[in-house]
Amino acid sequence: DIQMTQSPSAMSASIGDRVTITCRASQGVSPFLVWFQQKPGKVPKRLISGVSRLEGGVPPRFSGSGSGTEFTLTITSLQPEDFATYYCLQHSSFPLTFGGGTKVEMK
Amino acid sequence: QDQLVQSGAEVKKPGASVTISCRASGFTFSRYYIHWFRLAPKEGPEWMGRVNPNDGSASYAQKFQGRVLMTSDASTTTVYMEVNSLRSEDTAIYYCSRDRGQTWYYDALDLWGQGTVVIVSS
Repeated sequence: DIQMTQSPSAMSASIGDRVTITCRASQGVSPFLVWFQQKPGKVPKRLISGVSRLEGGVPPRFSGSGSGTEFTLTITSLQPEDFATYYCLQHSSFPLTFGGGTKVEMK
Repeated sequence: QDQLVQSGAEVKKPGASVTISCRASGFTFSRYYIHWFRLAPKEGPEWMGRVNPNDGSASYAQKFQGRVLMTSDASTTTVYMEVNSLRSEDTAIYYCSRDRGQTWYYDALDLWGQGTVVIVSS
């Protein structure tokens, strides 16, 4: 199984902050890497697919980058609606595996 | 518009079985695989498996092999997931999501069902 190691597991940030979340895969998964935003009681929302392709309707302050085994989700200027938990997911091979999640909380 | 609509919440006793449905509409059912995921309280999301609506074949996470059955009905554009021998740890929200396969990797998991709450309690 491909292990997805996500960091940090939690962070405190303020409105306007730049936020960077990292996912490391135990083997190469490009370009089969997706980032999701999860809020309590809500359906997971896909933000980024194919490592760096922004989902339609997702604000451009979100971006994804990386290749091979190292991937990053960046939020350039954190907004109130961005406080949530973020997950990376690899779909390169079965079983699909998620990172452990990053909870972004208000400082 | 494209939709995946899941069946309603379930409350089951330990040892029972539950079947959740996921009905597709607004898109060509045969062009997509359907995945199942779950999100348990205080846990991260977990992939359970994937079904190919074209031939009904399915692949399962090892953890669920033998206890979960995923099927599809092309006539009603609906996929089903049966979970047997339920235990309290199966209490979760279950989601279906679509995927066109690795050639269209950028479309992966773009559409999700609304989720089905399953509570397992004696």
